[in-house]
Amino acid sequence: EPEVTQTPSHQVTQMGQEVILRCVPISNHLYFYWYRQILGQKVEFLVSFYNNEISEKSEIFDDQFSVERPDGSNFTLKIRSTKLEDSAMYFCASSLLAGNYEQYFGPGTRLTVT
Amino acid sequence: LAKTTQPISMDSYEGQEVNITCSHNNIATNDYITWYQQFPSQGPRFIIQGYKTKVTNEVASLFIPADRKSSTLSLPRVSLSDTAVYYCLVGDGKNRDDKIIFGKGTRLHILP
Repeated sequence: EPEVTQTPSHQVTQMGQEVILRCVPISNHLYFYWYRQILGQKVEFLVSFYNNEISEKSEIFDDQFSVERPDGSNFTLKIRSTKLEDSAMYFCASSLLAGNYEQYFGPGTRLTVT
Repeated sequence: LAKTTQPISMDSYEGQEVNITCSHNNIATNDYITWYQQFPSQGPRFIIQGYKTKVTNEVASLFIPADRKSSTLSLPRVSLSDTAVYYCLVGDGKNRDDKIIFGKGTRLHILP
C-alpha cells in the first residue's frame, strides 16, 4: 500500500538555525499539506499546496516558513530561523482529490529546538 | 467544517465493541462525516467516511441516522492496539483548500 514518507524522523537544531523537513507524498496525489502538533496539543494546519503554489496557509505559517516541491516527488517545509516554540511533530499529508477530507499522513518529523 | 462534539475520553476492554458518538447538529446538506485515528507519536490516519445510513470497511463501521445530526463510529472487538485518539470531522470540503481542522478528539483507552 502506498504511503507518505518523511525524513528525518527526528531533528534537533539550535535556535536560529534553518531546518528543512522532507516529505515524499503518495506518487499520484496532487494536493499536499503540512500540519504540526505540539506535544499534548491538537494537530494544527500549516499550509496546503497544489499545482506548485500555496493554496492556503494558516496564521502559524509566517515568513519564517516556506514550502517547495523541488522535483516530482519531494515536498519540503523550510523553517528559516527556528524558535523554541517551533518544537513539535510536523506531519506531511497528501490527497488525490480536494474536497473530500481523505488525506494520507506521514509518520512525522519530531523537531526539537534547543 | 461544522462544529462537532464528541466525548473527551473512553475506556473499554479487549474484545468489546466500542461505539464513539459524535454530535453535529448543524450539519449541512452537502456535508460528509469523516473519522480519523491517531496512535501516539504517529500521524492521523483516515478510517472511514460516510454521508448517510451505514458504511463499513475492514477497520470500522459508521452509523448515521436519518437526521444526520450525529454519527457513531463502531470498532468491533477492540484490542490493545486500538488505543488511540479518534477524530470526527464534518464538512463538504467543496473548496479546493480542504484543510482539516482537528479538534481534541476522543481518547480511547483499551484495557486488558
